[in-house]
Amino acid sequence: DAGVIQSPRHEVTEMGQEVTLRCKPISGHDYLFWYRQTMMRGLELLIYFNNNVPIDDSGMPEDRFSAKMPNASFSTLKIQPSEPRDSAVYFCASSRTSGGPYEQYFGPGTRLTVT
Amino acid sequence: DAKTTQPTSMDCAEGRAANLPCNHSTISGNEYVYWYRQIHSQGPQYIIHGLKNNETNEMASLIITEDRKSSTLILPHATLRDTAVYYCIVGSSGDKLTFGTGTRLAVRP
Repeated sequence: DAGVIQSPRHEVTEMGQEVTLRCKPISGHDYLFWYRQTMMRGLELLIYFNNNVPIDDSGMPEDRFSAKMPNASFSTLKIQPSEPRDSAVYFCASSRTSGGPYEQYFGPGTRLTVT
Repeated sequence: DAKTTQPTSMDCAEGRAANLPCNHSTISGNEYVYWYRQIHSQGPQYIIHGLKNNETNEMASLIITEDRKSSTLILPHATLRDTAVYYCIVGSSGDKLTFGTGTRLAVRP
């Protein structure tokens, strides 16, 4: 298995531009998570999906952030318009539930720099 | 409100056992203890989890006290590649996991 795939790995954009981050979860996993990591705030959960349905988006910082999961093999996190304070590493993770505790598998992350 | 307390940093010598403690005094009966680690510039990696009993896998051992208020992750023979931030997390099955600040482990040659 290829693991969780994220693209792009690095993104540099100017303030005000739209940014779209992409994630392909591990096949067969029914949970997908989006995290953001900064030095100041550590690793924060932004939103997670179960069977393509958003379950908890309480971590999404503001309306500039949106996430979709149109099918079981693809999710996007969009920031519009982007701001310098959005600079961070964004991780996608997936997991599979089978009636018990589950392990989350993380992707390599997308390092976003907004200038 | 943090569910777990871990030392900020630790170090150990290469080849020796690394014992990473975690306090979770408010853990409830249906909550598991998970351990993840994050090597620099990589995504977090699952290590092990447990409920009541001690657990062992190819990466590590997890020792949970009888009252479940604390646990210890043991890396039996630490290598330089084990240098990472180690996160102890408490959560129920199906819950979202909340990562704290973790323990920064440095393995010395």
